[in-house]
Amino acid sequence: DAGVIQSPRHEVTEMGQEVTLRCKPISGHDYLFWYRQTMMRGLELLIYFNNNVPIDDSGMPEDRFSAKMPNASFSTLKIQPSEPRDSAVYFCASSLLGAGANVLTFGAGSRLTVL
Amino acid sequence: RKEVEQDPGPFNVPEGATVAFNCTYSNSASQSFFWYRQDCRKEPKLLMSVYSSGNEDGRFTAQLNRASQYISLLIRDSKLSDSATYLCVVNTGTGRRALTFGSGTRLQVQP
Repeated sequence: DAGVIQSPRHEVTEMGQEVTLRCKPISGHDYLFWYRQTMMRGLELLIYFNNNVPIDDSGMPEDRFSAKMPNASFSTLKIQPSEPRDSAVYFCASSLLGAGANVLTFGAGSRLTVL
Repeated sequence: RKEVEQDPGPFNVPEGATVAFNCTYSNSASQSFFWYRQDCRKEPKLLMSVYSSGNEDGRFTAQLNRASQYISLLIRDSKLSDSATYLCVVNTGTGRRALTFGSGTRLQVQP
């Protein structure tokens, strides 16, 4: 299995621009998570999905952030408009219910820099 | 108070040393506990689960103390390759699948 695939790996953009991060979970996994990591705040959960349905989006910082999962093999995290404080590494992770509760497999991350 | 707290370190130890990390969690209803390892500029990876009775995986031993709400990780005979950040991870809600990560403890094993 190729694991969790994220793109882009690096993105540099200017304040005000729209940013779209993409994630392909491991085939067959029924949970998908978006986390953000910064030096100051560590790893923070933004949102997670179960069978493509958003379950908890309480970690989404504000309305500028949105996430979708149109099918079992694809999810996006969108920031519009982006701000310098959004600079972070964004990780997508997936897991399978019953395969060891809460064992997450992470993607390599998308490093976002907003100038 | 943070849900999961760890000493950020760094812990600088020589090869062959034994080193221990502790982590405290605030929600007494927490049910699942893990240690993840994160190498510099890489993604976190599961190191081991933590069971109530304590568990061992090679040179690594994890223990849980529910009464005091802390978990620990002991690494024996440290190797250079153990240098990484160790993340304490807790499931903090009944039926909630998402994990809460501590900020991590950095370990640097020196030759």
